[in-house]
Amino acid sequence: GAVVSQHPSWVICKSGTSVKIECRSLDFQATTMFWYRQFPKQSLMLMATSNEGSKATYEQGVEKDKFLINHASLTLSTLTVTSAHPEDSSFYICSAPDDTEAFFGQGTRLTVV
Amino acid sequence: DQQVKQNSPSLSVQEGRISILNCDYTNSMFDYFLWYKKYPAEGPTFLISISSIKDKNEDGRFTVFLNKSAKHLSLHIVPSQPGDSAVYFCAAASNDYKLSFGAGTTVTVRA
Repeated sequence: GAVVSQHPSWVICKSGTSVKIECRSLDFQATTMFWYRQFPKQSLMLMATSNEGSKATYEQGVEKDKFLINHASLTLSTLTVTSAHPEDSSFYICSAPDDTEAFFGQGTRLTVV
Repeated sequence: DQQVKQNSPSLSVQEGRISILNCDYTNSMFDYFLWYKKYPAEGPTFLISISSIKDKNEDGRFTVFLNKSAKHLSLHIVPSQPGDSAVYFCAAASNDYKLSFGAGTTVTVRA
């Protein structure tokens, strides 16, 4: 079946630095990818929709200047957390749908210290 | 506003018995429903789905039931196995694949 690869699986960074998370669809092309965030013991919340060749669309309350999304090709979307702060520590997950279903990456555990 | 709700945060069941997980939704535009299984520090893994044109879908030990009039779906796992211990998320979407998730139900299967 289709596979979505997300990298890195975990990262620790210092406050004020930026972190880039990659999401790749390995055997299919994805014009749209989704980025979700999960806080401990909470549901996954959609942050933004990444659109190949155009700007991402962000959900209400998500700062687009803080969470930069680039969908440079049909198989790659990146999420950059800029000027990270401890409250950005979370589990970030990407998703890419093919014609029939949505596939998820393995997730990235971000810890900002 | 939580459009998908899983009101039971946890479920404990004995090995071999049936696990029943429930999910309610509020958005009548949802027409595609999924269940995901998630282990700690991993991304969700797709389990089973159902479209709004059906009321039941079965895949091995997993069966999902959809009651559109009640805006309710459930996942049955029969028989439950220790490897089924995980967090199960109910999710729903309209035709754009933007998923709205429930808060999850932690299932513990006792040997």
